[in-house]
Amino acid sequence: IAGITQAPTSQILAAGRRMTLRCTQDMRHNAMYWYRQDLGLGLRLIHYSNTAGTTGKGEVPDGYSVSRANTDDFPLTLASAVPSQTSVYFCASSDGQGVAEAFFGQGTRLTVV
Amino acid sequence: GQNIDQPTEMTATEGAIVQINCTYQTSGFNGLFWYQQHAGEAPTFLSYNVLDGLEEKGRFSSFLSRSKGYSYLLLKELQMKDSASYLCAGTDSNYQLIWGAGTKLIIKP
Repeated sequence: IAGITQAPTSQILAAGRRMTLRCTQDMRHNAMYWYRQDLGLGLRLIHYSNTAGTTGKGEVPDGYSVSRANTDDFPLTLASAVPSQTSVYFCASSDGQGVAEAFFGQGTRLTVV
Repeated sequence: GQNIDQPTEMTATEGAIVQINCTYQTSGFNGLFWYQQHAGEAPTFLSYNVLDGLEEKGRFSSFLSRSKGYSYLLLKELQMKDSASYLCAGTDSNYQLIWGAGTKLIIKP
C-alpha cells in the first residue's frame, strides 16, 4: 500500500442495502475525511476525523456513519442506501487539520438503484 | 454563509497563459488551496496560500488577496496535459475546507 487506498473502486447497490466503503492510509496522518463529489457541485464533506478515536459531522452527514478505531482506517457506512447517495466518494487524509496538503484516494463510484 | 465561486469552464490554447479566478467568503480564513483533478481521477494538490501575494511553482503560480477575498491560479506555457478541472478551496475558522465546484479547463491545439 502506498498512500491512501479505497475499496471498492465502483459498486452498484440496490436501494435499502447496507454498504461500507473502505479507506486505508499508510502515511500515519492524523486527519481523515470522506467527501462526495457530484456533477456541478464542489466536494462536500460527509464526515471527518481529526485523530484516531474521534469523528465529526461535515456538511452532508445524514444517512452516513464513520468510525476511526485506529490511525490507518476510516470506513464509511451507508446504513440503508437511497438513490440520492449515488455519487463519487473520495477519502482523503492530511498531516494537519485544514492547513496541510490533503492526499486523496482514487475514489469509489457508487450507483444506488 | 460560506461560499467559493469560480468559473464553470474556460478554454485556452496550447502554449498560451490562462488565469483561473476564485472568490471566497468563509467564516474566518486560514488559507486557500488549489487542486488539479483530471477526469475520473482524484484531486491532487497544487498550491496553498495564506499570506497575500504570488507564489510561483514552475509553470503554475497562485495569488491571494485576503482583503478582497480573491485568488487566482495562473498557468503558463499551457500543455495538453493541463486539460483538467481546477478546484479552489478555502479554509474556515474551524480549519474545514470549503470547496468550489471547480473550473473545467479545455486546452485546444
